[in-house]
Amino acid sequence: DIQMTQSPSLLSASVGDRVTINCKASQNINKYLNWYQQKLGEAPKLLIYNTNNLQTGIPSRFSGSGSGTDYTLTISSLQPEDFGTYFCFQHNSWPYTFGAGTKLELK
Amino acid sequence: EIQLQESGPGLVKPSQSLSLTCSVTGYTITSGYDWSWIRKFPGNKMEWMGYISYSGSTNYNPSLKSRISITRDTSKNQFFLQLNSVTTEDTATYYCARYIRYGGHFDYWGQGVMVTVSS
Repeated sequence: DIQMTQSPSLLSASVGDRVTINCKASQNINKYLNWYQQKLGEAPKLLIYNTNNLQTGIPSRFSGSGSGTDYTLTISSLQPEDFGTYFCFQHNSWPYTFGAGTKLELK
Repeated sequence: EIQLQESGPGLVKPSQSLSLTCSVTGYTITSGYDWSWIRKFPGNKMEWMGYISYSGSTNYNPSLKSRISITRDTSKNQFFLQLNSVTTEDTATYYCARYIRYGGHFDYWGQGVMVTVSS
């Protein structure tokens, strides 16, 4: 299985900050990398698919980049509604796998 | 509006079987897509357990292959998870979700059901 190492596991930030979350795959995943946001008690929500494609309805302050084994989610200016947990997900090789999550909390 | 809703017991004894139902409204599961089960463990790790496609074919995570079965009842527009010989390590929140192969993402999810394995 492809292991997805996500960092940091916990991120404290303030409204207006620029934040980045990283995922490193154990092998090349050919940009088949998605990012999800999950808030407490809710189902995950797709933010970015295939590395850098913004899902419909997601604000443009969210962006993704990367290639090969290394991928990044960036929030350009953190808003109050952005706090929650973020997961990466690779769909290059079955079984598709998730990162362990990054909890983004208010500093 | 497409909705998915999990149901099933919240407590299962070790060595028994875990059985969950996902009821889908707003879309017919035989029309397209892959109908999946995903679980989230305490501590946040998530695992895609497997899926049943719109055609009825299944694909399971190899880590579970000997214990898992995903089936469906098309007349009720439901699909099911059965996980055999559970242990405390199967304690998790279980989600059903619709998976789109193009873009490789889950677009609709249930709210999740917490299942505890304990004697």
